[in-house]
Amino acid sequence: KAGVTQTPRYLIKTRGQQVTLSCSPISGHRSVSWYQQTPGQGLQFLFEYFSETQRNKGNFPGRFSGRQFSNSRSEMNVSTLELGDSALYLCASRSHLSSYNEQFFGPGTRLTVL
Amino acid sequence: DQQVKQNSPSLSVQEGRISILNCDYTNSMFDYFLWYKKYPAEGPTFLISISSIKDKNEDGRFTVFLNKSAKHLSLHIVPSQPGDSAVYFCAAIRFFQGGSEKLVFGKGTKLTVNP
Repeated sequence: KAGVTQTPRYLIKTRGQQVTLSCSPISGHRSVSWYQQTPGQGLQFLFEYFSETQRNKGNFPGRFSGRQFSNSRSEMNVSTLELGDSALYLCASRSHLSSYNEQFFGPGTRLTVL
Repeated sequence: DQQVKQNSPSLSVQEGRISILNCDYTNSMFDYFLWYKKYPAEGPTFLISISSIKDKNEDGRFTVFLNKSAKHLSLHIVPSQPGDSAVYFCAAIRFFQGGSEKLVFGKGTKLTVNP
């Protein structure tokens, strides 16, 4: 069974630009969560999507948004990029029947904002 | 407001000895606690969890202890192996009525096991 895949793996953008990251969950998993990892803040929950609807949301500004498609693939968008948005963005998928202890993470997208 | 705190950014131990990673939390409403391990260039992987109604859970070399009165949990790795070198994240879950959950992570502790 293929794992969670994220594209692209690395991305360089400049301040003010916008970026879209993609996540393909494990086949059969309908829940996709997004996380931001930075050295100063550790791992922070962004949001979770289930059946194309946002189910949970962390404490991030509205510049961070996401969506989920009918095939459970998810995209995350960050508009008006700031230097502080430089981070590793991780997505994780799980079955809608399981809790967070059974979620599987992708390798992440390393975003650098210059 | 950091609800889950890992106060030690790094820890170094000798192979074969015990590694103890600590985690403190502030919200007594958390229902479940988890530990994840993360290698560089990979996503975190689930390691072990404990329900708030338990005080200990063991899985092979890994044991998690929960002290609810102190709002403290710890992960013990015995014996430590060089392959255990990674960043360890403590996380806590709160379940709400209606099925939603809130997941909060600590900032992580980098464990280095020296041969």
